[in-house]
Amino acid sequence: SAVISQKPSRDICQRGTSLTIQCQVDSQVTMMFWYRQQPGQSLTLIATANQGSEATYESGFVIDKFPISRPNLTFSTLTVSNMSPEDSSIYLCSVVINTEAFFGQGTRLTVV
Amino acid sequence: GEDVEQSLFLSVREGDSSVINCTYTDSSSTYLYWYKQEPGAGLQLLTYIFSNMDMKQDQRLTVLLNKKDKHLSLRIADTQTGDSAIYFCAEMHTGTASKLTFGTGTRLQVTL
Repeated sequence: SAVISQKPSRDICQRGTSLTIQCQVDSQVTMMFWYRQQPGQSLTLIATANQGSEATYESGFVIDKFPISRPNLTFSTLTVSNMSPEDSSIYLCSVVINTEAFFGQGTRLTVV
Repeated sequence: GEDVEQSLFLSVREGDSSVINCTYTDSSSTYLYWYKQEPGAGLQLLTYIFSNMDMKQDQRLTVLLNKKDKHLSLRIADTQTGDSAIYFCAEMHTGTASKLTFGTGTRLQVTL
C-alpha cells in the first residue's frame, strides 16, 4: 500500500491568485497523477507527472493553468494559477502500486 | 473515448444487501475498481478485480464482472449506516499509463 500526504487539506483563495498543492508519497513511484473533483461530480484526470520529464496533460487542461513539478520519485506539486470561482474543486493526487491506485485525502479549494 | 456510467442514487435499509451497478464502454479495460468517498474525505479503495475474473469476494463485498456486457457490480452484504457514502467505479488500462477513468458515482443512503 501507499500513504499519500497532501497539503493543504483546504484553502480559500482570492480570484486571480495561485495555489500550490503538495503531494508526498511514502514510497518511490514512477508516475503520480493529479485529479480534479468538481462539486457533486466525479473525478477527472488533469495530468500525469513523471519524474525527470514534463507532465502529460489531458484534453482540456494546459500547463499554463496547472503547472506541475516532479523533482523526485516521492514528491509532486500542482499549481492552480490565476484562479477563478470555476476552479473551486477538490484536487487529489494518486499513485499506482502493483495495480492498486491510492489517493491522497485531497485539497478542497474554494475561490472567492 | 471511455465512458463509465452509474446510477446516481440508491437507498437501502440497514441489514439489507446493496447492489451498486456500473457500465463501461472500453473493452480493453484491464482492472476495474470500487472506491468509497465519505463526506469531506478522500477516496478509499475498497476492492478491485482483474478483467479476466468473473467474481471477487472480500468479507461483505462481492464484485461481479460481466465482461461481455461490460457490466460491473458491487454487492454489500448486511449494509450498515456506516456504509452511507458515494461509491465510484473506475477502470484502468495499463496501456494508457495506468490512469483511471471514473464513473459518475452512486450515492448510497442507508436508512434505519
